[in-house]
Amino acid sequence: AQSVTQLDSHVSVSEGTPVLLRCNYSSSYSPSLFWYVQHPNKGLQLLLKYTSAATLVKGINGFEAEFKKSETSFHLTKPSAHMSDAAEYFCARGTSYGKLTFGQGTILTVHP
Amino acid sequence: EAQVTQNPRYLITVTGKKLTVTCSQNMNHEYMSWYRQDPGLGLRQIYYSMNVEVTDKGDVPEGYKVSRKEKRNFPLILESPSPNQTSLYFCASSLLERGRPYNEQFFGPGTRLTVL
Repeated sequence: AQSVTQLDSHVSVSEGTPVLLRCNYSSSYSPSLFWYVQHPNKGLQLLLKYTSAATLVKGINGFEAEFKKSETSFHLTKPSAHMSDAAEYFCARGTSYGKLTFGQGTILTVHP
Repeated sequence: EAQVTQNPRYLITVTGKKLTVTCSQNMNHEYMSWYRQDPGLGLRQIYYSMNVEVTDKGDVPEGYKVSRKEKRNFPLILESPSPNQTSLYFCASSLLERGRPYNEQFFGPGTRLTVL
């Protein structure tokens, strides 16, 4: 079965320092991969998506992710964290019939 | 404004009392889906629909029903809720591309359900 694993359930950073949220996926010939963000009491918002074009994907709010086939990874990064980035982040992969398979989520805490 | 709406946003009920959570989208999307979110498990798909009158089971369909009589609406029905259905529920929708769902899905704000 196709799966997504987020390697950290919690990540804590200081404001202004880099953010790294890790995601690995089970092997597939052509995965569609996504990062979503969920702020408290809000729905999910799409940050970025990979659909077999450029391996470095830029998203909203300064986030980007790099697709590495050899490592089956799709890690999310941001050079400098803001307090407003504090949220829960979900990595997901898509299937041909539309289902999104989500990772377990990573809670990002940003300290002043 | 393009959006997916859900009602109610919060619901506390008792075991066995039938309930319906409504979902509506105004983007003319063919594909709609329900997910539940539980701590440490991420989101798991309950049911999905490719178009009107076309529905199918996701990963965790037990205890749920859905219907798709109109393109914009996709209600989630719990005929006899149980405490293990206490969860946060999300509705999502997307376009079809060459007959398949375009995986960029738009999510509603969520419905927090508590079954006592």
